[in-house]
Amino acid sequence: DAGVTQSPTHLIKTRGQQVTLRCSPISGHKSVSWYQQVLGQGPQFIFQYYEKEERGRGNFPDRFSARQFPNYSSELNVNALLLGDSALYLCASSAYPGDKLFFGSGTQLSVL
Amino acid sequence: EDQVTQSPEALRLQEGESSSLNCSYTVSGLRGLFWYRQDPGKGPEFLFTLYSAGEEKEKERLKATLTKKESFLHITAPKPEDSATYLCAVQGGIQGAQKLVFGQGTRLTINP
Repeated sequence: DAGVTQSPTHLIKTRGQQVTLRCSPISGHKSVSWYQQVLGQGPQFIFQYYEKEERGRGNFPDRFSARQFPNYSSELNVNALLLGDSALYLCASSAYPGDKLFFGSGTQLSVL
Repeated sequence: EDQVTQSPEALRLQEGESSSLNCSYTVSGLRGLFWYRQDPGKGPEFLFTLYSAGEEKEKERLKATLTKKESFLHITAPKPEDSATYLCAVQGGIQGAQKLVFGQGTRLTINP
């Protein structure tokens, strides 16, 4: 069975641009979460979606937004990119909120 | 606010040399404590969930234990393939049920 898949794997953007990251959960999983991981640190929670509704939001600015589609896949959008947005963006899926998370391999975003 | 602190930040062991990693936490109503393994350039891989003080879980050379303030990941007779960053995370009460709060990780290197 396929695990959590994320695309693209790597991305280079310049300051002020916008980016969209994509995630497909494990088949049967209805909850998708997004985390940001800066080099040398643990992942930090950005969003959780369940049944297409936002269930939680971390301490990130409004430049960050997300949505979940009817097939439970998800997109994370970041507007007006800053150098500090450079990080590994991880998507995780679970059967329901609160269940253990299964992570994808992430999208490595570099902002120049 | 939920917090997780892991120690040491980095640990080098010889193959076969057993040791323990520490995870100290403060959380409002622990729902679960999670251990993940992360290899370079990849997403975290789920290892264990612990729910209450006194609980223990084992998988191959790894054993996780939980008290009211700490969790330990014991590694017995490690092999070079156990080299990775080990992440600890907590899931808090009702307000925090939608997210995991991670520590910064312990980078473990096993020398042959």
